[in-house]
Amino acid sequence: GESVGLHLPTLSVQEGDNSIINCAYSNSASDYFIWYKQESGKGPQFIIDIRSNMDKRQGQRVTVLLNKTVKHLSLQIAATQPGDSAVYFCAERGRGSQGNLIFGKGTKLSVKP
Amino acid sequence: GAVVSQHPSRVICKSGTSVKIECRSLDFQATTMFWYRQFPKQSLMLMATSNEGSKATYEQGVEKDKFLINHASLTLSTLTVTSAHPEDSSFYICSASRAAVNEQFFGPGTRLTVL
Repeated sequence: GESVGLHLPTLSVQEGDNSIINCAYSNSASDYFIWYKQESGKGPQFIIDIRSNMDKRQGQRVTVLLNKTVKHLSLQIAATQPGDSAVYFCAERGRGSQGNLIFGKGTKLSVKP
Repeated sequence: GAVVSQHPSRVICKSGTSVKIECRSLDFQATTMFWYRQFPKQSLMLMATSNEGSKATYEQGVEKDKFLINHASLTLSTLTVTSAHPEDSSFYICSASRAAVNEQFFGPGTRLTVL
């Protein structure tokens, strides 16, 4: 059910600094992970994904790290810009599922100019 | 490519009325469509998964008679919130995926406010 007064974890960084957003996932059998960016009032936007047979993947200014031992996922954003301000969600997909994604709780990133 | 649209983007209705939300894949055929609900400052919660031409699979706790899902074609799925009540006010987001592709492509969401 809905939780009253729930607040998203917030990460505040200075423009130009690197950001690291962390996520703990729940299912050790999940085989695919994605990071999404969601701006206020909009749908999630794909950032980067990683399969469970990898531990690191790099994109443009973003890197995802996967630690299956502790079921931990992180998103690193290099040279963070004001346009990066948004809520970031990790999502996992269970092996053999229809493609159903389970979303993490989200982290709000605020970039100070 | 891989654009998903939703209509309407926002809707306000009176308690007890029904509201239909459309989700369309504009430039690809979506074998599977997903419906999510998101309350303020919370994460996306999957409501149901639908494959074209078959009945939707609802997540535990989601009333199938209240949230009617129709996936009549490979480019269109609809979610009808029947007899809406204020507690149904939320942000409803659909996504679509195509065969053999991992990624889900998300729509822009529909803000439902029930008075």
